[in-house]
Amino acid sequence: GESVGLHLPTLSVQEGDNSIINCAYSNSASDYFIWYKQESGKGPQFIIDIRSNMDKRQGQRVTVLLNKTVKHLSLQIAATQPGDSAVYFCAVRTGTASKLTFGTGTRLQVTL
Amino acid sequence: NAGVTQTPKFQVLKTGQSMTLQCAQDMNHEYMSWYRQDPGMGLRLIHYSVGAGITDQGEVPNGYNVSRSTTEDFPLRLLSAAPSQTSVYFCASSDANTQYFGPGTRLTVL
Repeated sequence: GESVGLHLPTLSVQEGDNSIINCAYSNSASDYFIWYKQESGKGPQFIIDIRSNMDKRQGQRVTVLLNKTVKHLSLQIAATQPGDSAVYFCAVRTGTASKLTFGTGTRLQVTL
Repeated sequence: NAGVTQTPKFQVLKTGQSMTLQCAQDMNHEYMSWYRQDPGMGLRLIHYSVGAGITDQGEVPNGYNVSRSTTEDFPLRLLSAAPSQTSVYFCASSDANTQYFGPGTRLTVL
């Protein structure tokens, strides 16, 4: 099986600072990783993904880093904005196509 | 292109009542799934389907039934609601890799 955990339930950052949200997974056979953002009252929204044959991928203001040696991935948000306030989940795929295991989420609070 | 739609948005049931949560997608995805989200527990997979006519159980299937008669629709049925089924329910559809979620149904069972 697979278990996925996040290091912090809540992260508070000042507007303009960089945010780093972490996630750990258990199964070394995991091959695909996704970060989702969930705003209050809404469904999870895809942010960025990375495959196990990569260790870094960048999007617009977001970067995902994957360390397969220690089974850890992180989401970095540059110049955090109030609109980034949400709960962030990592999801991990192991084996069966499209079945994902989700972490419990980190709530990002952006202070002015 | 509406993506994944869910109805209703909110629902209150009494213990023992039955209901169906509707889910539809217009992206022609083969894979669809249902999750429940409870505080501190993340998203847990209830049932999933890899195509029309094919369904399978996820992590927490007890108390729920599904069917998949078309590619577009994947309803979730609660045959006899229990307070433990109070939760927020999300439907998702998937291309080869990424799952796309609907807006959710908040269900309260009294």
